[in-house]
Amino acid sequence: QSVLTQPPSVSGAPGQRVTISCAGSSSSIGAGYDVHWYQHLPGTAPKLLIYGNNIRPSGVPDRFSGSKSGTSASLVITGLQAEDEADYYCQSYDRSLSGVVFGGGTILTVL
Amino acid sequence: QVQLVQSGAEVKKPGSSVKVSCKASGGTASRYAISWVRQARGHGLEWMGGIIPIFDTIDYAQKFKGRVTLTADESTSTAYMELSSLRSEDTAVYYCAKILDLSHEGALHIWGQGTMVTVSS
Repeated sequence: QSVLTQPPSVSGAPGQRVTISCAGSSSSIGAGYDVHWYQHLPGTAPKLLIYGNNIRPSGVPDRFSGSKSGTSASLVITGLQAEDEADYYCQSYDRSLSGVVFGGGTILTVL
Repeated sequence: QVQLVQSGAEVKKPGSSVKVSCKASGGTASRYAISWVRQARGHGLEWMGGIIPIFDTIDYAQKFKGRVTLTADESTSTAYMELSSLRSEDTAVYYCAKILDLSHEGALHIWGQGTMVTVSS
């Protein structure tokens, strides 16, 4: 069981908006640690999508956005495209574990 | 642009050890912070530990303490992850990744291509 909780799967039609949540605790996200998001396609290395809660690295489309509030965070994808179909992971730090933690991952299906 | 190139696939017997390398091109490993992450088939990403050579700090996930050793060779810009007492559950793809800033909790912005480690008798 992951320290950060994500829904196992989400889906949406092309052009729609989807939200992936990442629930932490007072020792992780709620303690002020940043949340980062990754996109992972099978057979490839994960790709950084969002860092520092809401910052997009160069080259990441502005269809991807992140936010953080209290003990949780969210990744929002607007204008869904077929190429967005992938696994998505959130990452933060947990001070009680003294280590980096990942969410369990969310499979995004584009209908 | 910095790239991380990992060593090739390994097949190991249960109880043995494996050492995976991660060579940085376009810079030196000692100026980077490197995390190691693995993914077993059907499972999510799992952080194993991180090393920040310039600060001489190493952080290990509690699950792997005592079994994993992270090192870095400044002269060759290479980071290493050694996992001992291998069992079948350690069969996974192992990734090294460069941390965006010099802290273990930072984002992983450059990833190696992954190294498949298979543990089988």
